[in-house]
Amino acid sequence: QVQLQESGPGLVKPSQTLSLTCTVSGGSISSGSYYWSWIRQPAGKGLEWIGRIYTSGSTNYNPSLKSRVTISVDTSKNQFSLKLSSVTAADTAVYYCARARPVTMIEDYWGQGTLVTVSS
Amino acid sequence: VIWMTQSPSLLSASTGDRVTISCRMSQGISSYLAWYQQKPGKAPELLIYAASTLQSGVPSRFSGSGSGTDFTLTISCLQSEDFATYYCQQYYSFPPTFGGGTKVEIK
Repeated sequence: QVQLQESGPGLVKPSQTLSLTCTVSGGSISSGSYYWSWIRQPAGKGLEWIGRIYTSGSTNYNPSLKSRVTISVDTSKNQFSLKLSSVTAADTAVYYCARARPVTMIEDYWGQGTLVTVSS
Repeated sequence: VIWMTQSPSLLSASTGDRVTISCRMSQGISSYLAWYQQKPGKAPELLIYAASTLQSGVPSRFSGSGSGTDFTLTISCLQSEDFATYYCQQYYSFPPTFGGGTKVEIK
C-alpha cells in the first residue's frame, strides 16, 4: 500500500519561500498514471487544494495561489515537492501531500500532514 | 469557481443514530462528488467517490446519494469511531473545492 510522508521546515519567515517534500513509498511514483497533489488546512478551518503534478512534469495550480506556487517531481528519489513563495501568516497551515487517481484525480491516499508556521 | 454549502456545520448525535449530511453546489456537477472523513490530528480519508461509490474498506453503514447540485452522506448506524469531521469535495470543475465541513459530535 502506498504511503506518503511530508518533510520540511516547520517555521518560515514572512516573505520567504516555504519548501516541502513528499516522499512516496510502497510503489513507484512513476507507475499507475497517478497525479500527486498538495492540499493545506489552516488550524480549525477547511481544506484548500493547492495543486498537482503528473510524473511527466505537467502541473495544475489553484488560480488563487498560482503566482506563488511551484510543484516539481524527482522520480529518481520517488519524491515530489512544493514551493510557495512570498509567504505571509495566512499561509500558516497543515500541509498534506496526496496521491490522486487517474481520470477523476480524486485524492485517495494522503500523508499525515506537516504544520508550517509563518512567523518572524 | 463552484461554491459549496455543507450543512449542518455541527451535528450532535448518539451511537446508533442515523445521520445525514448535506452538500449543495452553486451549479450542477453531475456525480463528481467525494466525501472524506477527518479525525483530529489526522489526514482526511476517502469514504465515497462518484457521489455514491464506496471506497474499498469503508464500512457499508456509510452511503452517498445525489447528483447535480444536491448530495447527501448518510451514516446508517453511528458508531463511536464515526465521530469526526466530514467534508464533501467536488471534482467536476477546476480547481477542486471542498465544503466547509460537518463535525459530528457525541450528544
